Amino acid sequence: GAGVSQSPSNKVTEKGKDVELRCDPISGHTALYWYRQRLGQGLEFLIYFQGNSAPDKSGLPSDRFSAERTGESVSTLTIQRTQQEDSAVYLCASRPGLADYNEQFFGPGTRLTVL
Amino acid sequence: AQKVTQAQTEISVVEKEDVTLDCVYETRDTTYYLFWYKQPPSGELVFLIRRNSFDEQNEISGRYSWNFQKSTSSFNFTITASQVVDSAVYFCALSPWDNTGKLIFGQGTTLQVKP
Repeated sequence: GAGVSQSPSNKVTEKGKDVELRCDPISGHTALYWYRQRLGQGLEFLIYFQGNSAPDKSGLPSDRFSAERTGESVSTLTIQRTQQEDSAVYLCASRPGLADYNEQFFGPGTRLTVL
Repeated sequence: AQKVTQAQTEISVVEKEDVTLDCVYETRDTTYYLFWYKQPPSGELVFLIRRNSFDEQNEISGRYSWNFQKSTSSFNFTITASQVVDSAVYFCALSPWDNTGKLIFGQGTTLQVKP
């Protein structure tokens, strides 16, 4: 079946512009995660959605970052007034619900470059 | 605070050598999960293994083996008879036992296997 997909695969923007990154999770997966991977670094947790519960936003680095998810489908991560330090690969992951613990399935990521 | 440390930034070996990737973690939780992920040059993270904190049995899967020692807070990964296709960045990660699935990643170890 289809895996997690993300779009665009690459995004180049100018400092100060807003960007939207999209994630399509695996169908039926109730949990969705966003992570950021800076060059040569590990992944940093940003935000977590589980079903219709309030999202866990504890990893968002500033109020310029926000994310939405409609039900158990697509999610968008928005970065407003982008800064050069926002340049990174943004990875989305999904996993099945809480009935049994399963690993996360990751998408290919969106490489964001802020000039 | 929870933290994962992968002290080895880069490792280079010649094909058929054995190689061990170190992972040390910190957590105050008594129960938790530990993971290893592989990130090949394509960028997409590939799940390798999950262990829970009360199962300290070592695990072997083909050329891969994992040594979990709770007493030293380590979860090391060994590749036996390495192959060029093993070249990738390997991440160790920790997740709390709260079913959120949030992952705390180490910085990653870049493994280069030369022919």
